[in-house]
Amino acid sequence: KQEVTQIPAALSVPEGENLVLNCSFTDSAIYNLQWFRQDPGKGLTSLLLIQSSQREQTSGRLNASLDKSSGRSTLYIAASQPGDSATYLCAVRRYQAGTALIFGKGTTLSVSS
Amino acid sequence: DGGITQSPKYLFRKEGQNVTLSCEQNLNHDAMYWYRQDPGQGLRLIYYSQIVNDFQKGDIAEGYSVSREKKESFPLTVTSAQKNPTAFYLCASSIFNSAETQYFGPGTRLLVL
Repeated sequence: KQEVTQIPAALSVPEGENLVLNCSFTDSAIYNLQWFRQDPGKGLTSLLLIQSSQREQTSGRLNASLDKSSGRSTLYIAASQPGDSATYLCAVRRYQAGTALIFGKGTTLSVSS
Repeated sequence: DGGITQSPKYLFRKEGQNVTLSCEQNLNHDAMYWYRQDPGQGLRLIYYSQIVNDFQKGDIAEGYSVSREKKESFPLTVTSAQKNPTAFYLCASSIFNSAETQYFGPGTRLLVL
């Protein structure tokens, strides 16, 4: 059974710091992996989607990597800002496309000014 | 604007009552999903539908029911059999059989009176 783990559960950093969020999964047979952002009481916003054949994706200050063989992904946030404060969720889609996502519990990030 | 709408934003359920959460999308997506989120937890799949008039149970389907009579709509009913319904409910949709991302609605928070 696929399990997704995110470490750390919470993280507090001062503004301007670079940081890394970690995600691990137990079954390497995945179709793709996504990173989402969730603000309190809100829905999810997709940040980056990495297909199983890709190694990384970048969007602005965000960079996500994928090492399928070791079952790991990282989300790198450069020059953090208070507006980055949110919960970040990692999710994997099993090899069959069209099926649902399996989520980690998330990392809650707080960036202080 | 294209997107997913969920209503109501807050819903109160009395003991023994069935309640229905609405989810509508105008993205022309074939697949729709219902997830449940508890505090400090990742999302867990309740039901999903890949095509009209067809749906599949997810990991925590007990106490819930769905219908998919129209492509745009995927309502979720929380029945009296669901003993712990208090949670945040998120609806999502995606292109079926694709590597594309899932798009999420803003969520419905269900509380028990």
